[in-house]
Amino acid sequence: SYVLTQPPSVSVAPRQTATVTCGGNNIGSKSVHWYQQKPGQAPVLVVYDDTDRPSGIPERFSGSNSGNTATLTISRVEAGDEADYYCQVWDSSSDHRVFGTGTKVTVL
Amino acid sequence: QVQLQESGPGLAKPSETLSLTCTVSGGSVNSGSYYWSWVRQPPGKGLEWIAYIFYSGGANYNPSLKSRLTMSVDTSKNQFSLRVASVTAADTAVYYCARVALTMGDAFDVWGQGTMVTVSS
Repeated sequence: SYVLTQPPSVSVAPRQTATVTCGGNNIGSKSVHWYQQKPGQAPVLVVYDDTDRPSGIPERFSGSNSGNTATLTISRVEAGDEADYYCQVWDSSSDHRVFGTGTKVTVL
Repeated sequence: QVQLQESGPGLAKPSETLSLTCTVSGGSVNSGSYYWSWVRQPPGKGLEWIAYIFYSGGANYNPSLKSRLTMSVDTSKNQFSLRVASVTAADTAVYYCARVALTMGDAFDVWGQGTMVTVSS
């Protein structure tokens, strides 16, 4: 089955830029989605199709995808961005949905 | 605005069959633009995709759970459901229902608030 690997944690100072990576075999050929999950809450979609943002998501959230790594970038980080972030893809070979291992973003 | 609401027993005994239902409001399950899905999250752990179903009834299941799963959709009640057979403590988790948007690259664009299920005797 397809595996997505994320760093367990990322720390960033306020107003700086946070980068969360998602590694997978030839992930650049897939469409990657990113979710934000705050404690006790359901996940929220923040980036879909590698680079697109749903309505209501700030422009500070952006994504990219190439080769074996997809990246979520959070610019001008705010305290409210502190959360767990998960990448996700559709594995076409099996028609299954796969989530990454998750990254906890801590705002210092 | 579409909203999803899970309902379930809260507590299940080992070896029993767990039944969960997701009620859709503000939209229809009878749409060719979406799949309807279940995702779970054990306490302190990450997200795990369980299964999805189309309004026509076609379903797809996580291979690690497939032998114990059954999904169904009831368009008359605007609901979809999940049954998990022979539950064990490893099935203890928050269970979320979610909508999969075909126009958004199959992303999970709307989620329910989640329902906690504990498997214990």
